[in-house]
Amino acid sequence: QKEVEQNSGPLSVPEGAIASLNCTYSDRGSQSFFWYRQYSGKSPELIMFIYSNGDKEDGRFTAQLNKASQYVSLLIRDSQPSDSATYLCVGGNYQLIWGAGTKLIIKP
Amino acid sequence: DGGITQSPKYLFRKEGQNVTLSCEQNLNHDAMYWYRQDPGQGLRLIYYSQIVNDFQKGDIAEGYSVSREKKESFPLTVTSAQKNPTAFYLCASSIVGQANTGELFFGEGSRLTVL
Repeated sequence: QKEVEQNSGPLSVPEGAIASLNCTYSDRGSQSFFWYRQYSGKSPELIMFIYSNGDKEDGRFTAQLNKASQYVSLLIRDSQPSDSATYLCVGGNYQLIWGAGTKLIIKP
Repeated sequence: DGGITQSPKYLFRKEGQNVTLSCEQNLNHDAMYWYRQDPGQGLRLIYYSQIVNDFQKGDIAEGYSVSREKKESFPLTVTSAQKNPTAFYLCASSIVGQANTGELFFGEGSRLTVL
């Protein structure tokens, strides 16, 4: 069964520090990977996508992909209290496979 | 402003009743999706549609039905055959179908509770 695994957390990070979120995936055929942010009671919103091995940076966010290790990560620099949310890792080829999410708490 | 509108936001249902959740988009997207989210679980695909008058079952279609008579509208009916319908339901749309993957735009969700 195709799966995307994430630690459910909560992951607690001090304000201003780097938050590191990780996920692993089982389907080697997955080509595209997405990170969605979901605030409590709200719908998910896309914050990053990555298709190629290596790093992709967008503002305070960096997505990292290692297809050999089947590993995806999201780094959030200079963490802010507004970053507190659940982060969903998603892998896809012909079908999107959603992880259950990691709850991130940024402590002021 | 373009977006996806889901209604109702909260819905209570008695056992044995069918309920229909509305989803309307004005983004001119071809593909639309219904997901279910339960605590501690990833989003699970119920149904998706890539074109008007055509839709496909997702991973957990049993007990649900959909229609796609207009490009803008993709209503979901939760039937009495769905054994555990209490959940958060999310409607989404995208420019291309899931085969090519891409960004999904979500509505605000509908929270269904069975009494």
